[in-house]
Amino acid sequence: ETGVTQTPRHLVMGMTNKKSLKCEQHLGHNAMYWYKQSAKKPLELMFVYNFKEQTENNSVPSRFSPECPNSSHLFLHLHTLQPEDSALYLCASSVSSGYSYEQYFGPGTRLTVT
Amino acid sequence: AQKVTQAQTEISVVEKEDVTLDCVYETRDTTYYLFWYKQPPSGELVFLIRRNSFDEQNEISGRYSWNFQKSTSSFNFTITASQVVDSAVYFCALSEAGYSGYSTLTFGKGTMLLVSP
Repeated sequence: ETGVTQTPRHLVMGMTNKKSLKCEQHLGHNAMYWYKQSAKKPLELMFVYNFKEQTENNSVPSRFSPECPNSSHLFLHLHTLQPEDSALYLCASSVSSGYSYEQYFGPGTRLTVT
Repeated sequence: AQKVTQAQTEISVVEKEDVTLDCVYETRDTTYYLFWYKQPPSGELVFLIRRNSFDEQNEISGRYSWNFQKSTSSFNFTITASQVVDSAVYFCALSEAGYSGYSTLTFGKGTMLLVSP
């Protein structure tokens, strides 16, 4: 596989379910990101991991729990979600250096909370 | 605070027309980076270009060209001879210098481009 992959591509879950989104990057990057994209809203940065350490949490509700076991893998654990959490969740990765490099995105997971 | 404005919500053109997507940004930093991404209906954001604040040269890549003007804080994107496959949402984004080792992108709201045959 190449680039950034995400599984599953589509997920329907009830408000009481627990599920996880997975992201894997094959680019040798050390920074990984979770974004949320809702209809008619700008992309919202949720979390940033740099060399496996969480460096940013943009006031994300605790029902979203990220995990980064190594620089290639990123998870987003979901529990007791709300219907307004339905969105496209995008994972991205980038080189980690003193410059600002472009982020490469995965195809996203389309989440529907019922 | 950083801000990216893409005033055009949706643009419709007929194939072979040229189209320009506008991007205006705000930042207090003297060193910053600008990006364009394409998001086709499949959902994945595709990186198109990165430009740093010290490089005001315009760039051309095939049918794509970018016009960076610091004086007007704009980074516009032109597609020449548009094709149906260009139909997508296009995002402009801004990042400060990544001294922390990673980049935090501020995205505009995107411009949806519809190219009809």
